[in-house]
Amino acid sequence: GENVEQHPSTLSVQEGDSAVIKCTYSDSASNYFPWYKQELGKGPQLIIDIRSNVGEKKDQRIAVTLNKTAKHFSLHITETQPEDSAVYFCAARDDKFYFGSGTKLNVKP
Amino acid sequence: DAMVIQNPRYQVTQFGKPVTLSCSQTLNHNVMYWYQQKSSQAPKLLFHYYDKDFNNEADTPDNFQSRRPNTSFCFLDIRSPGLGDAAMYLCATSRDLGTSTDTQYFGPGTRLTVL
Repeated sequence: GENVEQHPSTLSVQEGDSAVIKCTYSDSASNYFPWYKQELGKGPQLIIDIRSNVGEKKDQRIAVTLNKTAKHFSLHITETQPEDSAVYFCAARDDKFYFGSGTKLNVKP
Repeated sequence: DAMVIQNPRYQVTQFGKPVTLSCSQTLNHNVMYWYQQKSSQAPKLLFHYYDKDFNNEADTPDNFQSRRPNTSFCFLDIRSPGLGDAAMYLCATSRDLGTSTDTQYFGPGTRLTVL
């Protein structure tokens, strides 16, 4: 089955700085890569996703890049705000969804 | 406009006392999933339904069962909860399975406490 690794496990940035979270996957058959934001006590919320036929996707301050050859994808958050503080999970899908271990992002005011 | 609804949001049960968690969806999706999430960990898939077809993960304990009486509803039954079953339980849906690129939508979760 698929194996998704996510780094770093914790990330602390100053408000206004950028944050980057990276994931690698093992199964070249995976073709869909969502990113979820999970706030304390809530369910994961999809924030952005990318399909394997696309290299980059952007939505306001959030962008995701995918390198199929290297089997890695990254989440980029620019101009971070305190409300971006949460746990972020990457996932890869072939027959089902496989999650990374999560990154706790702390944005300091 | 909640799309995946879970009830209750918080559930307290006693050690060994059966408990049922509920999930409903307004998306008319074919697939419904149940995940267990412990603190600071990724969600762990317990099982999923594709329509009426049930698929259990190999490492899901027999203590966990599920029912899907119709497209909209899915239940998680924990027959004899142990202290180790205290966790957040997440329900999710997707339109399809396989190599489809459908998005998965999560409910808000039910926090289970076992006393």
